[in-house]
Amino acid sequence: GENVEQHPSTLSVQEGDSAVIKCTYSDSASNYFPWYKQELGKRPQLIIDIRSNVGEKKDQRIAVTLNKTAKHFSLHITETQPEDSAVYFCAANPTSGTYKYIFGTGTRLKVLA
Amino acid sequence: DADVTQTPRNRITKTGKRIMLECSQTKGHDRMYWYRQDPGLGLQLIYYSFDVKDINKGEISDGYSVSRQAQAKFSLSLESAIPNQTALYFCATSDTGGAGNEQFFGPGTRLTVL
Repeated sequence: GENVEQHPSTLSVQEGDSAVIKCTYSDSASNYFPWYKQELGKRPQLIIDIRSNVGEKKDQRIAVTLNKTAKHFSLHITETQPEDSAVYFCAANPTSGTYKYIFGTGTRLKVLA
Repeated sequence: DADVTQTPRNRITKTGKRIMLECSQTKGHDRMYWYRQDPGLGLQLIYYSFDVKDINKGEISDGYSVSRQAQAKFSLSLESAIPNQTALYFCATSDTGGAGNEQFFGPGTRLTVL
């Protein structure tokens, strides 16, 4: 069935270093890939998204890349700061439902000061 | 986002009890969703609705039912709660129009079934 795999499950980086989180999806017809950030005790919030007609999108310190051939996409955070510490979820929309998502299992990012 | 609210925020109940979780939104969105979050399992879709007359099962609908009472309200029911339904439940909404619109989440309801 439709599936989104996310790695790693936990990631620790030193403040100022970069962090990369990777996701792989199974449905080749998926065309929308959002990333959500969930701080401790709070709701998930969209931080960046990418559509299948582009290969990369950047917003300040955050970027997302998409490789449609390999069916994987990645979140890149540069110059990490303590406030980047959170759980990050990737998602993809399956062919069976354009307006619903299949989420990855999440990555807990810890930025060490 | 204060425009999507959930009640109650926390609930402890016993096995076999019926419980309803409610979601309301003032964003004017047609699409509403219920998710369940368990540690290490991400967000799993329980049910979703694209308008008042539309109800669809998600990945893990067994043991749950929903009601879309109005555009702004979407409730989730557990007819006979069991301990493995202990989890954090999120409601979300999204707007109509082109594929892949942002989903806005409510604050969550933490449910414990003893």
